[in-house]
Amino acid sequence: DAGITQSPRHKVTETGTPVTLRCHQTENHRYMYWYRQDPGHGLRLIHYSYGVKDTDKGEVSDGYSVSRSKTEDFLLTLESATSSQTSVYFCAIRGQLDTQYFGPGTRLTVL
Amino acid sequence: AQSVTQLDSQVPVFEEAPVELRCNYSSSVSVYLFWYVQYPNQGLQLLLKYLSGSTLVESINGFEAEFNKSQTSFHLRKPSVHISDTAEYFCAIQTGGTSYGKLTFGQGTILTVHP
Repeated sequence: DAGITQSPRHKVTETGTPVTLRCHQTENHRYMYWYRQDPGHGLRLIHYSYGVKDTDKGEVSDGYSVSRSKTEDFLLTLESATSSQTSVYFCAIRGQLDTQYFGPGTRLTVL
Repeated sequence: AQSVTQLDSQVPVFEEAPVELRCNYSSSVSVYLFWYVQYPNQGLQLLLKYLSGSTLVESINGFEAEFNKSQTSFHLRKPSVHISDTAEYFCAIQTGGTSYGKLTFGQGTILTVHP
């Protein structure tokens, strides 16, 4: 357990609505990541952060934005949710020896 | 760009049989290699990793993986599986340098252990 929590754990929303997922860590890690998990695709990186206010895009960033105003929180926002964004979202931190540790995940359904 | 291929999407085996989950990668630079396990309805847990040194790495629950640079592989093995090993397994690589520690994952292999 790397002290990572995600909220909400489950969410159902409608197409076109904004959605924000929160990742919270308690151990002051510099690097944080957002992935999505879809069957047959494994996990794919959406965005990552290498410090407060320092973020960059991953391989599937279209339709997503992130913010990191303090070390412990990394927010993922879907500005206008679409059905293709139905997925399980995982947050991760980079711990010792370049190893990533994952949060419990958020299951998002967009109707 | 780097990529990871897990050669089997599903592997069914009987309890106490040996198993091998195959992982090949492609990268033009040196990499770190990881196996993660995901039990049903849970998050990902680190199973084992190769960063440097001995090419054979082991986990606490009997799995092992061998880094083969010439074949760009990092196959996961266990000599005798248990029902509790039923899970999805993900191979991942991380390139060094300025990659900011980003992971590239394979598609996953679902291991099902039958009694």
